[in-house]
Amino acid sequence: QKEVEQNSGPLSVPEGAIASLNCTYSDRGSQSFFWYRQYSGKSPELIMSIYSNGDKEDGRFTAQLNKASQYVSLLIRDSQPSDSATYLCAVRDGGFKTIFGAGTRLFVKA
Amino acid sequence: DAMVIQNPRYQVTQFGKPVTLSCSQTLNHNVMYWYQQKSSQAPKLLFHYYDKDFNNEADTPDNFQSRRPNTSFCFLDIRSPGLGDAAMYLCATSRAGAGYNNSPLHFGNGTRLTVT
Repeated sequence: QKEVEQNSGPLSVPEGAIASLNCTYSDRGSQSFFWYRQYSGKSPELIMSIYSNGDKEDGRFTAQLNKASQYVSLLIRDSQPSDSATYLCAVRDGGFKTIFGAGTRLFVKA
Repeated sequence: DAMVIQNPRYQVTQFGKPVTLSCSQTLNHNVMYWYQQKSSQAPKLLFHYYDKDFNNEADTPDNFQSRRPNTSFCFLDIRSPGLGDAAMYLCATSRAGAGYNNSPLHFGNGTRLTVT
């Protein structure tokens, strides 16, 4: 059974701080990795995608991938109250199936 | 804007009464997916269509069926909804083929199903 594991949280950070979200996955054949943001009662929204080892930066967001350790992370710099949401880690094996973690709830305190 | 649209946003049905959820897309993506998401859980893939080819996940109950009459539309039919089928149902699309096999999912707004 392929799995994606995340700490459910909640993770609470003050406004302006860095939020660090982590994810591990079980399938070594996984080829693409995604972070989605999901507000309560809404559908997931793509934040970042990463395909190779290392860091990828997009604005306040940085995704980090370490395939040897089967580990993906998301850093959110200068966290804002509007960043408060559940962050879903998702992994795709190069086929059609994208497997999601249950998400980490993030609270950014003003 | 190119989009994935789900209707209705909220659906209430009675125990055992068939219900159909719909999804349409203007992205011209060749793969369409249905996910089920219960509260505080990961979205769970039910099935997907790659063009007209239907692929059912092994643990998707027989109670769930799907139709894709054309590239733009896909339907989720729940033949006899039970209380345990109350969830958010998410339609998603992606592009597949040479150079696209790792493309992300694009989600619709979801349909929240309540079973009474």
